[in-house]
Amino acid sequence: QITLKESGPTLVNPTQTLTLTCSFSGFSLSTSGVGVGWIRQPPGKALEWLALIYWDDDKVYNPSLKSRLTISKDTSEDQVVLRMTNMDPVDTGTYYCAHLPMIRGVMDAFDIWGQGTMVTVSS
Amino acid sequence: EIVMTQSPATLSVAPGERVTLSCRASESISTNLVWYQQKPGQAPRLLIYGAYTRATGIPARFSGSGSGTEFTLTISSLQSEDFAVYYCQQFKNWPPMYTFGQGTKLEIK
Repeated sequence: QITLKESGPTLVNPTQTLTLTCSFSGFSLSTSGVGVGWIRQPPGKALEWLALIYWDDDKVYNPSLKSRLTISKDTSEDQVVLRMTNMDPVDTGTYYCAHLPMIRGVMDAFDIWGQGTMVTVSS
Repeated sequence: EIVMTQSPATLSVAPGERVTLSCRASESISTNLVWYQQKPGQAPRLLIYGAYTRATGIPARFSGSGSGTEFTLTISSLQSEDFAVYYCQQFKNWPPMYTFGQGTKLEIK
């Protein structure tokens, strides 16, 4: 059974760096065809994909946020870490990590999501 | 950047009715279209991938169709547990990019 759980600060000051950890079980991020992504959702608004890391340590970012994001993995600890710099109140929202499998040779759908962690950016 | 537009924003439907939700891509995405369901306070749940393939455990009353720029999610007979927000998401192969629509909220009529 695949599970993911996000952890990190609930409150961040403007201009600070946010560091979130996704701890997962039920799969290995060293297995070919597996990825973990981060998606966020401001209160009452739509989902926005942020970043993705693949089993081979390749990384991709949403171009609109690329300069602020860093994603990394610790395979031995079954964790993925997302760092977002220069936080602003508009970054307030729920941050999810999600499992991305390769299906039919395509990695298009996040099939298992964590419960999400709410982050508020305020002084 | 591919923009995903969902319509309508809100839909009021009675239980037992058939409903169709629409999602339009600003350019052709073949069948690289995914649907999610999200209930209040919960994470999204994968419903459909590849435009029409139901994910594991998804009831047969959910069906997806379309290709290119026009896609639909149909729920054949609405159950009480189906009232939620539905998001479509496109996948671009290279460079990899995932874009969500703004969502359609299904309300009880």
